Amino acid sequence: KNEVEQSPQNLTAQEGEFITINCSYSVGISALHWLQQHPGGGIVSLFMLSSGKKKHGRLIATINIQEKHSSLHITASHPRDSAVYICAVRGSGGTSYGKLTFGQGTILTVHP
Amino acid sequence: DSGVTQTPKHLITATGQRVTLRCSPRSGDLSVYWYQQSLDQGLQFLIQYYNGEERAKGNILERFSAQQFPDLHSELNLSSLELGDSALYFCASSPLFPGRRYGYTFGSGTRLTVV
Repeated sequence: KNEVEQSPQNLTAQEGEFITINCSYSVGISALHWLQQHPGGGIVSLFMLSSGKKKHGRLIATINIQEKHSSLHITASHPRDSAVYICAVRGSGGTSYGKLTFGQGTILTVHP
Repeated sequence: DSGVTQTPKHLITATGQRVTLRCSPRSGDLSVYWYQQSLDQGLQFLIQYYNGEERAKGNILERFSAQQFPDLHSELNLSSLELGDSALYFCASSPLFPGRRYGYTFGSGTRLTVV
């Protein structure tokens, strides 16, 4: 079993729909990151969370440390949101503190 | 432009060859991380350098090596290349060890194709 599990693996939505991507992890972490990767490859960091909730525009990220679970929500989805969304956790101590462990990614396609 | 510069963007080479990938971190960042993204393995951590010293190692093959220079740029050397080494190689940087205030900045990646 992977240390970081995302669901769903693939997600198709119509423009305007509310989208949720889930991430569960099984290790102790110091922070959780949500990343976005568009076709063509570049990775953009969307959020870094260690507790609670963050919002940026139409994107909302939440984390529940006790349940080892995080969600990424996209409100009023748009075709330009089509990308791969990756959950990554940062280790909690020692030499694992800086390294990220990644989920397998969620491929989101938003149709007009 | 994220501030992290990776060169080259694309590289095609033959099996058995050696290549060097280069990363210039965002100005002021001391830590550099290398990641490999392949179709079957996803994104995997390879190695981290902090201010010139190796800080952490992940799933990095013995055929691969890296270093960080005094000007903080980093190079990832891949030798005796195999078809399975074909992947996207990302570099990321952070100011110190990523703390609660700082995250990572990723480069745009180098796409390596081994033929």
